[in-house]
Amino acid sequence: NAGVTQTPKFQVLKTGQSMTLQCAQDMNHNSMYWYRQDPGMGLRLIYYSASEGTTDKGEVPNGYNVSRLNKREFSLRLESAAPSQTSVYFCASSDSQGHEQYFGPGTRLTVT
Amino acid sequence: DAKTTQPPSMDCAEGRAANLPCNHSTISGNEYVYWYRQIHSQGPQYIIHGLKNNETNEMASLIITEDRKSSTLILPHATLRDTAVYYCIVRPRNSGGSNYKLTFGKGTLLTVNP
Repeated sequence: NAGVTQTPKFQVLKTGQSMTLQCAQDMNHNSMYWYRQDPGMGLRLIYYSASEGTTDKGEVPNGYNVSRLNKREFSLRLESAAPSQTSVYFCASSDSQGHEQYFGPGTRLTVT
Repeated sequence: DAKTTQPPSMDCAEGRAANLPCNHSTISGNEYVYWYRQIHSQGPQYIIHGLKNNETNEMASLIITEDRKSSTLILPHATLRDTAVYYCIVRPRNSGGSNYKLTFGKGTLLTVNP
């Protein structure tokens, strides 16, 4: 099992550009999450999907959109990137109980 | 969600037990205590969780005080690979909505020294 995979691993964008971060899990989990982590800070939840077909806002949703494409995949889209979105983005998944979240390796995004 | 307080950093000698404290004095009866860790540049890793009883798994033990206002994560024989930031998180039982959220604070940087 690959667990949670994320692509790309690194990305540099110019202000105003758009991109989509991809996340996939092979653990048959119902719930998936997107977090961001800024230097020296803990993780903050951007969006989550409790089950296929549902998505909800987390703490810091502004500037992002998400799509739960199917049970395996949960993508995060930046429509018009801003320097404040420079961060490391982590995707995670869990079963419906949510006790144990499995995290991907992260995408390191720089917006100039 | 209840707030947690952890020391910013701790040191431990390799092979010794590492005891990481966490204060969660405002915890309510339906809230679990979770521990995650994050090794440099990697995604966080689940360690253990508990409600009121002490818990043990292959990675660690979790000791929760009787009043549930604090807990201690114990790594019984710390190795250099255990050097990481350890996060103590309190979260309600999963009943949908924002209960899915894990609120990560700044955690404790545990440095295991040779």
